[in-house]
Amino acid sequence: NAGVMQNPRHLVRRRGQEARLRCSPMKGHSHVYWYRQLPEEGLKFMVYLQKENIIDESGMPKERFSAEFPKEGPSILRIQQVVRGDSAAYFCASSPPTSGRPTGELFFGEGSRLTVL
Amino acid sequence: AQSVTQLDSHVSVSEGTPVLLRCNYSSSYSPSLFWYVQHPNKGLQLLLKYTSAATLVKGINGFEAEFKKSETSFHLTKPSAHMSDAAEYFCVVSDPGGSYIPTFGRGTSLIVHP
Repeated sequence: NAGVMQNPRHLVRRRGQEARLRCSPMKGHSHVYWYRQLPEEGLKFMVYLQKENIIDESGMPKERFSAEFPKEGPSILRIQQVVRGDSAAYFCASSPPTSGRPTGELFFGEGSRLTVL
Repeated sequence: AQSVTQLDSHVSVSEGTPVLLRCNYSSSYSPSLFWYVQHPNKGLQLLLKYTSAATLVKGINGFEAEFKKSETSFHLTKPSAHMSDAAEYFCVVSDPGGSYIPTFGRGTSLIVHP
């Protein structure tokens, strides 16, 4: 049973280019979370998605950042016109469907490390 | 609103001595609490979780944590540190009845000396 798969593991972009980060959740999981980690800091919530729906995007910057989780295929975090401050590790996590609210237990991928030159 | 405070950014211990990583939380509801470990350049792995069952929770690799509602604490302990325990540890709170977004502490870096 494969875990959460993220790719690419490392991505280098020049300022102004676009970055696309992909996340395939664990089999059977329908909830996806994206977090950003800066050096010496914890993980900051960005967005929470279920299939075809954005549930909570309160942690997403208002511009240049977008996320989707289509019916088929992986979740995508897209950063347009990247700047040096976007350099960070981006982690995807998934959780299984529940009859009520999510429990909060997350299963993490190994992260995508974005470097903006 | 929920929040979590990890009281130490770094903890340094000698191999074979006890480990204590401190975590205090704030929550409007009955929270779920988690500890995750992150080794360098890796993802996060769940160590243990508290979800309103027994207050003393045992996890992997000999770690355990005790939920103390009166102190709003969820400290992580291990009787004897191994070199392989050196990593970053994150305390996480989630309010199943409130905001369902897990909130992370800033992390505690555990350093283990031979």
